[in-house]
Formats: sequence, C-alpha cells, structure tokens
Amino acid sequence: DTAVSQTPKYLVTQMGNDKSIKCEQNLGHDTMYWYKQDSKKFLKIMFSYNNKELIINETVPNRFSPKSPDKAHLNLHINSLELGDSAVYFCASSLRGQPQHFGDGTRLSIL
Amino acid sequence: EDQVTQSPEALRLQEGESSSLNCSYTVSGLRGLFWYRQDPGKGPEFLFTLYSAGEEKEKERLKATLTKKESFLHITAPKPEDSATYLCAGSTGANSKLTFGKGITLSVRP
Repeated sequence: DTAVSQTPKYLVTQMGNDKSIKCEQNLGHDTMYWYKQDSKKFLKIMFSYNNKELIINETVPNRFSPKSPDKAHLNLHINSLELGDSAVYFCASSLRGQPQHFGDGTRLSIL
Repeated sequence: EDQVTQSPEALRLQEGESSSLNCSYTVSGLRGLFWYRQDPGKGPEFLFTLYSAGEEKEKERLKATLTKKESFLHITAPKPEDSATYLCAGSTGANSKLTFGKGITLSVRP
C-alpha cells in the first residue's frame, strides 16, 4: 500500500543512453512533481503537473521530458544521458497547495 | 530570487540535549513554510506546515515556529531515532512551488 512509488529504485547506465523513470501515486492527489537531489543533497524542483497539465517547468535541459498519462502517473524520460545527470530523482504528489508526499527516489548513476 | 538558508549544516547532540534548527527565508509571497525529515536512502517525510508569523506546531519532541523572516525547529530531549536530515522549504506562487534549503543533518548520540 505504498503511497508514492517509483521504479526503478536504482538505475546504472552508460553516457549517451536514453532512460525512463516511472512514478505512481495512490493517494488521490491531483498534482505530481519531479525533483532532483544532487550530491550535496540539495533538492530542486524540475517539473509539476496538475490534472495532466504542466504547471511548473524549471530551467532543465530539454533532454528531460515529463509525461503524465493520467492524474496518478508521472514519468520522466531522459535522452542522451550525461555524467552530470547522476543524482537521486524524487517524485512527489499532493493536492494542489497541500503538503507534498515523496517517493523513496531513483538513484541514477551514469558510467 | 527566492532563497531558503538552513543552519547549522550539521548538528551533533547528546541524547536529551535540546536544541534548535534555523531556517531563514527570502521568499516573495510566501504561501507556507514546510518542514520535512529525510532519512538516508528515503524520500522526505512531511512534518509541519506554518502559514503565518507567530504560528507554532508540535509533534512529539518537535516544535516548529515561524516569524516573518525565520522558522525554527526546536527539538526537546532528542533521542537517537531523531537522527536524520531536516529540510525546510518555502512555498510560493499559484502553483505552490517549493524552494528547499540544503538541510541540517542531525546526529543524536546515546
């Protein structure tokens, strides 16, 4: 009965590859988010969707593309992975304006 | 630019030794100040939301307070299980965007 679940938990891949991370929430929330936490543990917002509409789109390379097929799912696709993309990516969800609930992260390592 | 600064970066306490964690913010149009706890290998876990100066909230050994420029997380008689990273975040805009501080890593020794 996990509230916000991300897959995979770990992702190790080569530079230049394309990969996707999936996120699902069963809390009935209408807003979902992607965050990046770098090696210094700094958590930064990347994207947010409300009812499948993109509402936050921070300055992120366009190699990163979010997709929300429905309110309960938000996926992140990354093209042409670079060394600097190594980080922990967190998905979160909330009712709009309410506290956000986070998944346990996807640890992405680029070789 | 919105900014959230937390201090100290790391804090080591003896079990039972009370202390406070500081979060100062320069966020235009603050809609809420959030505190989260993050354990190693886990996502942030929500603790408190504060909406206006003077507001206080409590949960077990934790109490969060808010002024116009700062928030404090007071930890009373901490236990080793309180060891974690504590994150502060300000919410702004119609889309409730969260700007996080870098966190304070708390270690409580038995």
